[in-house]
Order: sequence, then structure tokens, then C-alpha cells
Amino acid sequence: GAGVSQSPSNKVTEKGKDVELRCDPISGHTALYWYRQSLGQGLEFLIYFQGNSAPDKSGLPSDRFSAERTGGSVSTLTIQRTQQEDSAVYLCASSPGQGLAKNIQYFGAGTRLSVL
Amino acid sequence: DQQVKQNSPSLSVQEGRISILNCDYTNSMFDYFLWYKKYPAEGPTFLISISSIKDKNEDGRFTVFLNKSAKHLSLHIVPSQPGDSAVYFCAAHFYNQGGKLIFGQGTELSVKP
Repeated sequence: GAGVSQSPSNKVTEKGKDVELRCDPISGHTALYWYRQSLGQGLEFLIYFQGNSAPDKSGLPSDRFSAERTGGSVSTLTIQRTQQEDSAVYLCASSPGQGLAKNIQYFGAGTRLSVL
Repeated sequence: DQQVKQNSPSLSVQEGRISILNCDYTNSMFDYFLWYKKYPAEGPTFLISISSIKDKNEDGRFTVFLNKSAKHLSLHIVPSQPGDSAVYFCAAHFYNQGGKLIFGQGTELSVKP
């Protein structure tokens, strides 16, 4: 597709379960980002991948959160042993990584995670 | 520690008038700033950006102003249209820290016909 694609669009899970959220970036974009937006809050940076460099994980809130990016394209955000405070919209973005617009990020529609 | 702040959670404007959305920041190491627009159930959409070496950038009905001494930027929409009703986020980029952005909390703009 032309834009950033995220799946699932909605996820309801029980406390303590693991969840996986998927992001397909725009083709050719070398940079990929994960953010989350809790109710009434701004976007909180989680993790950033740029090409083959080591990811910037400085925003991950705990060791229950992890992400990987396979083949420089698709990324999966995994939350283990989910807690109610993990409920939020998880947004993925990608950017070209080079050129004048290298850092303009294009967002997917997000995955709304609800932990019961 | 909120490095990017949008102190007005909401703003209501009459169609055809000017909308002014404000954003303050605390870190002088930000080297450019962006505004994003977000409709419900959609991801944020890039609107306009400005480098820290400029004080103004204009794109159609949208103009962003940057006052570095005050660490303040604003987005002007003239004239405002009902389709502009959305949540607007300002975001800041750190110099030399990759591409991650620091976002404000957002301002919900309502443009009334």
C-alpha cells in the first residue's frame, strides 16, 4: 500500500497476556518509529529504527516492551504480561531517512489496545 | 518533564476567522519543529515544519512562526474552515539524535460554520 499500515486496528486482551502489534512502513523508508498515545495525552516516543543501526530504545517504559524490525521493513512491537496502564493507541511511523524530507514522519492509523 | 507544551487543550473559532495554535518548548537543542493534524481514528498527518534558523514558514493557509528567544512557536490558519477541525500537535526534533520527535499534548480545534 501507499501508506503506513498497522494491524490489528483494535486489540482487546486480558491482563497478563502477551500482545504483538504489527507495522508495515512505506516502501523504501529506512526509518521506523513507535509511539503511544494514552487518553488525553500527546504522543510518547517508544523506539526508533534507522537502517541497520542499533535501535534507539530509550522510550520503552519497561522491559515488558520490545520491538524488532525484520529485513529493514516490517516491525513488530511486543508487550509481555500486559497491564491495564498499557491501554493506549500505539502508533507507528516511517520516514525516508535521507533527503530534504528525511525526518518527516508518516503515521499509520494506530492500534487501539485495551487491557481488561 | 514536558519539553514541548501545548497549554490550550481546546480552541473554538468561527469559520473564516484566524486560528492561532500555540506551543512552547524548553530545550534549546531542538533544531526543527513540525505541526501535525489528527482526525479521530486516524494517524497524525504532517502539516508544516520550520527550521530553527528561520522565523516563519508559510504554506497556503498555514503559517508557522518561531520565536527562539521566547522558545515559542505558533501555527496560524487563515481563513479557518470547518474541515480544519481536528487535534493539532506540535513536535520538536533534537539536533543529532536521529529522527525521534517530542510531541506536545495537542490542541483540539473546532471551527464552527
